[in-house]
Amino acid sequence: GAGVSQTPSNKVTEKGKYVELRCDPISGHTALYWYRQSLGQGPEFLIYFQGTGAADDSGLPNDRFFAVRPEGSVSTLKIQRTERGDSAVYLCASSAGLAGSSYNEQFFGPGTRLTVL
Amino acid sequence: GQNIDQPTEMTATEGAIVQINCTYQTSGFNGLFWYQQHAGEAPTFLSYNVLDGLEEKGRFSSFLSRSKGYSYLLLKELQMKDSASYLCAVRDSNYQLIWGAGTKLIIKP
Repeated sequence: GAGVSQTPSNKVTEKGKYVELRCDPISGHTALYWYRQSLGQGPEFLIYFQGTGAADDSGLPNDRFFAVRPEGSVSTLKIQRTERGDSAVYLCASSAGLAGSSYNEQFFGPGTRLTVL
Repeated sequence: GQNIDQPTEMTATEGAIVQINCTYQTSGFNGLFWYQQHAGEAPTFLSYNVLDGLEEKGRFSSFLSRSKGYSYLLLKELQMKDSASYLCAVRDSNYQLIWGAGTKLIIKP
């Protein structure tokens, strides 16, 4: 596709439920990032994939959060036993090169707004 | 700890110039980015600085001083569509972006 896409755009769930958020990166981009953003804050890093592997998952807040990218393209962020504090906009970004590339602009998707009631 | 500081909100007049400052303290430095984010939308890339000095791109310019841990984004000939949040982000020693909370810029006619 022309840009990064994310589905669903909005997700409302009840406390304790399981959710999956999907990200389709720009075709050919090897690097994929997940962030979450609360109102009035900058994006908070969650996890970075280079190809199929999670190169850096240091930002995942706890073991309820997990992400996969089995074929090196689409990624799914999975949240178990959701809590009200998980409510945020979850942003996905992709880039063409390695995280350490000199330029490495990240292109963001529109985000998924998750609301946990 | 790692810290990116920028003003929470600024107001400017259409047609004028505004400078948005960003100071940072991070574990390592591998470049500084400015992104624009309109309300309810994703951030979009504006500029990248890795060496000291000024990078100019149309109405937008970005400056970096690594010794001072300081950058600014300069917006000229402000237009109403420039009303948005402006995010400063530093790439640290692990090559991950550390983000500021953003500066909400309000443009008045």
